[in-house]
Amino acid sequence: DTGVSQDPRHKITKRGQNVTFRCDPISEHNRLYWYRQTLGQGPEFLTYFQNEAQLEKSRLLSDRFSAERPKGSFSTLEIQRTEQGDSAMYLCARDNPGELFFGEGSRLTVL
Amino acid sequence: AQSVTQLDSQVPVFEEAPVELRCNYSSSVSVYLFWYVQYPNQGLQLLLKYLSGSTLVKGINGFEAEFNKSQTSFHLRKPSVHISDTAEYFCAVTNSGAGSYQLTFGKGTKLSVIP
Repeated sequence: DTGVSQDPRHKITKRGQNVTFRCDPISEHNRLYWYRQTLGQGPEFLTYFQNEAQLEKSRLLSDRFSAERPKGSFSTLEIQRTEQGDSAMYLCARDNPGELFFGEGSRLTVL
Repeated sequence: AQSVTQLDSQVPVFEEAPVELRCNYSSSVSVYLFWYVQYPNQGLQLLLKYLSGSTLVKGINGFEAEFNKSQTSFHLRKPSVHISDTAEYFCAVTNSGAGSYQLTFGKGTKLSVIP
């Protein structure tokens, strides 16, 4: 158990629909990260939060993507007007000094 | 900016044989290095990390890795593999002075252990 829960684990949606993923770290850690992993690739950094502040965003995070961490605890990642290229595993992680602990991920399939 | 190259996309090896998974990185600053393992449909689990100190680091499940600064490498080794080691392995790097763990991952190496 890495202390990071993600929901839902799987989501199938039609192109053009909006989807939201949630990440709950076991406790209120300072920093929380989102990564995306497409088939056959390593995870790619999307964004991270320190408490409720979103401190960095990758250029991979287009304007259809928005992430929040309203109270510095759980976080949500919303994708609007999904495209087939958004199909991927979305991973959330918390950090502990010296390492990242990842959740099981939320797999998105866009039809 | 950093980058990671995992030189082998797939490595088949017989059970109880040794294995080495290769990782080279590129960075203009000092780095921290990591190896993660991913089983099908699961998240990533940390195998080992190099932050500072001894360049030979030992991790879980009998794995070890050696940081070689001159060759910018961080190869992962295990002297005797088991069927349960079949998985995908990812090497990752981050800027040691960044204050966060924004990791850059390689594309992964699929290890297949043959009975």
